[in-house]
Amino acid sequence: DAGVTQSPTHLIKTRGQHVTLRCSPISGHKSVSWYQQVLGQGPQFIFQYYEKEERGRGNFPDRFSARQFPNYSSELNVNALLLGDSALYLCASSFRGLLAKNIQYFGAGTRLSVL
Amino acid sequence: AQTVTQSQPEMSVQEAETVTLSCTYDTSESDYYLFWYKQPPSRQMILVIRQEAYKQQNATENRFSVNFQKAAKSFSLKISDSQLGDAAMYFCAYVPGGGSEKLVFGKGTKLTVNP
Repeated sequence: DAGVTQSPTHLIKTRGQHVTLRCSPISGHKSVSWYQQVLGQGPQFIFQYYEKEERGRGNFPDRFSARQFPNYSSELNVNALLLGDSALYLCASSFRGLLAKNIQYFGAGTRLSVL
Repeated sequence: AQTVTQSQPEMSVQEAETVTLSCTYDTSESDYYLFWYKQPPSRQMILVIRQEAYKQQNATENRFSVNFQKAAKSFSLKISDSQLGDAAMYFCAYVPGGGSEKLVFGKGTKLTVNP
């Protein structure tokens, strides 16, 4: 079975540009969360989507937005890129049923470099 | 706000020996879950072990076990019979109960395994 898949693997953008990152959850998982991991730090929560609705938002500016599609895949959008947005962006999916055990499964991430 | 602290930026262990990674957390919640995730150079976060706060028994997964001290808000990871493949960044993480999926991570501990 395929795990959480993210695309693209690497991305290079310049300041002020816009970027879209994509995530496909594990089959049967309806919840997707996004995290930002700056070099040398632990991941920080950005968004959670469940059944196509936003269920949680971290302390990130409005330049960050996301959405979830009917097939439960998700996009993270970042506008007006800043140098500080350079990071590894991780997507995680979960089952959210009675047997879910609150476990999130992570993809390998998208490495974004802003020049 | 919940916080997770990992006080050991780096640790090293000899192959076949035992090592313990420390983690403390701060929360006012009574229902929560704690995790240890492993992040090898491939970047993908891999779940190592999970602990439910309401369970007094420490979780164990093969060579990995935890020492969960709820009153002290301490959650350390013990790796027995260390293997070269255990070398990675290890992150301690917390999530409150009640369906939230906002994982709060520590800054990580880099584990080196020496042959």
